[in-house]
Amino acid sequence: DAGITQSPRHKVTETGTPVTLRCHQTENHRYMYWYRQDPGHGLRLIHYSYGVKDTDKGEVSDGYSVSRSKTEDFLLTLESATSSQTSVYFCATMNRDGYTFGSGTRLTVV
Amino acid sequence: GDSVTQMEGPVTLSEEAFLTINCTYTATGYPSLFWYVQYPGEGLQLLLKATKADDKGSNKGFEATYRKETTSFHLEKGSVQVSDSAVYFCARLNRDDKIIFGKGTRLHILP
Repeated sequence: DAGITQSPRHKVTETGTPVTLRCHQTENHRYMYWYRQDPGHGLRLIHYSYGVKDTDKGEVSDGYSVSRSKTEDFLLTLESATSSQTSVYFCATMNRDGYTFGSGTRLTVV
Repeated sequence: GDSVTQMEGPVTLSEEAFLTINCTYTATGYPSLFWYVQYPGEGLQLLLKATKADDKGSNKGFEATYRKETTSFHLEKGSVQVSDSAVYFCARLNRDDKIIFGKGTRLHILP
């Protein structure tokens, strides 16, 4: 969807390094979410935000932190990347029809 | 807790076959229900939704009916095409404004 941009689209990083993924939306939606997608697990919620500086943990939040200093940006940080965090990460916003998703970031931790 | 269970795949069908992908949800409240589709290399896209019992969502020839008595929201299409090959996710919206997804069903359509 043109209203949500994730960056980078692909990233390879080394174990132990910090990584930040960015989600940018132009729709002025309050609610934003970070999911990871893994084979056999579907989508699992990492963190979510109901507004600027209002964030909370999802079901798989260990090893991740988020920040939301502006409505349009929701950042996901892996403080010290591990191989188990190799995944595809999706950002989503909530509108009255449900979620709109970004195109995803494929992260590989080597 | 709240959950969504959908049939495991992959599902392989020939073009023009009838499709059913089963989905059931835990009956906590009256959640809105969704089907999302994910094409290769892309994010999820909303396919259809239903917000209350007996509602029928429909889009691109796909349909699903919100069945409260069986807590189900099965996805159907009368005649599938090769272009329908994708992964399909059933989902429910919880009261805390989070969407819970099933694990996805991969669909392969053979020409």
